[in-house]
Amino acid sequence: DAGVTQSPTHLIKTRGQHVTLRCSPISGHKSVSWYQQVLGQGPQFIFQYYEKEERGRGNFPDRFSARQFPNYSSELNVNALLLGDSALYLCASSSDRDSLRSEQFFGPGTRLTVL
Amino acid sequence: GEDVEQSLFLSVREGDSSVINCTYTDSSSTYLYWYKQEPGAGLQLLTYIFSNMDMKQDQRLTVLLNKKDKHLSLRIADTQTGDSAIYFCAEIRTGRRALTFGSGTRLQVQP
Repeated sequence: DAGVTQSPTHLIKTRGQHVTLRCSPISGHKSVSWYQQVLGQGPQFIFQYYEKEERGRGNFPDRFSARQFPNYSSELNVNALLLGDSALYLCASSSDRDSLRSEQFFGPGTRLTVL
Repeated sequence: GEDVEQSLFLSVREGDSSVINCTYTDSSSTYLYWYKQEPGAGLQLLTYIFSNMDMKQDQRLTVLLNKKDKHLSLRIADTQTGDSAIYFCAEIRTGRRALTFGSGTRLQVQP
């Protein structure tokens, strides 16, 4: 079975541009979470979606948005990119809405560089 | 300050035991996790411990939890070169949707 997949693997953008990152969860998983990992730091929570609804949001500006589709795949959108948005963006899927009940499986991430 | 703190770097020789330490601040932490991240890869869950446990052993891995001191450790027995990676401590609290990670400990295993 395929694990969590993310696309693209790498991306280079310039300041002010917009970016869309994509994630496909493990088959049967309905929950998708997004994390931002800046170089040298641990991942920070951005969003969780379950059954196409936002269930949690981290401390990120409104430039960050996401959505989940009927097939449970998800997109993360970032507008008006800043240099500080350069990071590895990780997607995690789990089978349950409650993160306490089920393991989160992480994808390999999308490396975003903002110039 | 950080909710979860870890030392930055640990170097050991192959065959020795490694101990990676983590401290957390929130007493409502429910589950505590150890993740491994290799270059170019996502995060791999190694093990976890529920907050009402003191110790958990899983093959070469031993997790110790001191709730009084809010201290968590991961011991890797017979460390191998393939164990070289960054290890993240993470916690989750009742009512939260997300994991809170430490900044990671880079483990270097020398042959």
